[in-house]
Amino acid sequence: NAGVTQTPKFQVLKTGQSMTLQCAQDMNHEYMSWYRQDPGMGLRLIHYSVGAGITDQGEVPNGYNVSRSTTEDFPLRLLSAAPSQTSVYFCASSYGGPYSNQPQHFGDGTRLSIL
Amino acid sequence: AQKVTQAQTEISVVEKEDVTLDCVYETRDTTYYLFWYKQPPSGELVFLIRRNSFDEQNEISGRYSWNFQKSTSSFNFTITASQVVDSAVYFCALQTGSSNTGKLIFGQGTTLQVKP
Repeated sequence: NAGVTQTPKFQVLKTGQSMTLQCAQDMNHEYMSWYRQDPGMGLRLIHYSVGAGITDQGEVPNGYNVSRSTTEDFPLRLLSAAPSQTSVYFCASSYGGPYSNQPQHFGDGTRLSIL
Repeated sequence: AQKVTQAQTEISVVEKEDVTLDCVYETRDTTYYLFWYKQPPSGELVFLIRRNSFDEQNEISGRYSWNFQKSTSSFNFTITASQVVDSAVYFCALQTGSSNTGKLIFGQGTTLQVKP
């Protein structure tokens, strides 16, 4: 039982490049989400999904796309990387939908630098 | 407004000291949930505890204890007899019952350094 797995752990990109951050969970959780962590700002919600085929925007969605084709996977795409997207990205999952208020289990994070 | 404030940015203690991490929250919802997460130097986020707004009973788990007081909108975390392995950033988070996004509202975190 691996929990929430994020790949890669580290990545350096040039401005304008695109890439996909992968997130997979093996707990059959319906709810998945992406946060970014920036110094002095805590963690902020980017996008979330309440189940396969359903995604929605969080607090800071601009510049990011998501999809949820399966229950297990929830990739985050940076369309055209900008230095402001330098951050640590966390994927999380929990049992039930957003109203379930179950603890969200986080992956180990992806440290992304945009030059 | 919904907000979580962790006023202590950094705390440094010597091993075996007790330490309390403060968390004050703001919400108009009557149903809400409070969480504590630990982020060790390795960077992952580890869930510690979840408390709902209708349960003010304090909880103890080993050296960890949590004091939830609705009257002061606080959910403080105490580590008894701290150890070097407790060194980490600790986040308090709020999730409201009316949220349709499941968003966790995080405080800015308190960095705890436990010196040997």
